[in-house]
Amino acid sequence: QKEVEQDPGPLSVPEGAIVSLNCTYSNSAFQYFMWYRQYSRKGPELLMYTYSSGNKEDGRFTAQVDKSSKYISLFIRDSQPSDSATYLCAMSGATDKLIFGTGTRLQVFP
Amino acid sequence: EAEVAQSPRYKITEKSQAVAFWCDPISGHATLYWYRQILGQGPELLVQFQDESVVDDSQLPKDRFSAERLKGVDSTLKIQPAELGDSAMYLCASSLVAGGLADEQFFGPGTRLTVL
Repeated sequence: QKEVEQDPGPLSVPEGAIVSLNCTYSNSAFQYFMWYRQYSRKGPELLMYTYSSGNKEDGRFTAQVDKSSKYISLFIRDSQPSDSATYLCAMSGATDKLIFGTGTRLQVFP
Repeated sequence: EAEVAQSPRYKITEKSQAVAFWCDPISGHATLYWYRQILGQGPELLVQFQDESVVDDSQLPKDRFSAERLKGVDSTLKIQPAELGDSAMYLCASSLVAGGLADEQFFGPGTRLTVL
């Protein structure tokens, strides 16, 4: 079993939809949870960063962490075609070694 | 805006040949990472440097891969000899500090390697 599991998609939604992306993990030592966005042929860029449990909101993006269920989510409101990318969850424990999920490919069509 | 630079962006080589990738981190960033991202998967850490010292190379296939950061600034990752299974995107990332707390890692555009 992988430490971090993520549905690879692809996920195809119409413009304006609410998108929900999720990851589960098995290592209870993980404390830092991140979401990266990766456009085709580019490196990942950090979208959201959350420490421990709770919610964090940044514009159209909301990150949720439920440590009791070992489950994290990223919600995108009012999705735009420019949101079309691969979304990677990543997490780490006391050290800063990041463990990534496989990524979910999102396509937002006009 | 400061960015992580990588070259080349694309590399095609035949198996058993040697290849080298170069990375220039954001100025002032002490920590440098090399990741390998196979198509359809997330990045996996190969090696982490703190200044010029290797902090973690537990996932680096040391029989064929080597990495150096001689002056604690730019870095080179080498594969010799390349194998078909090495085809992947090689990503370099840097962060300001690494002191036991997760610090934001900034990624370069990557080098896409194809081994024929």
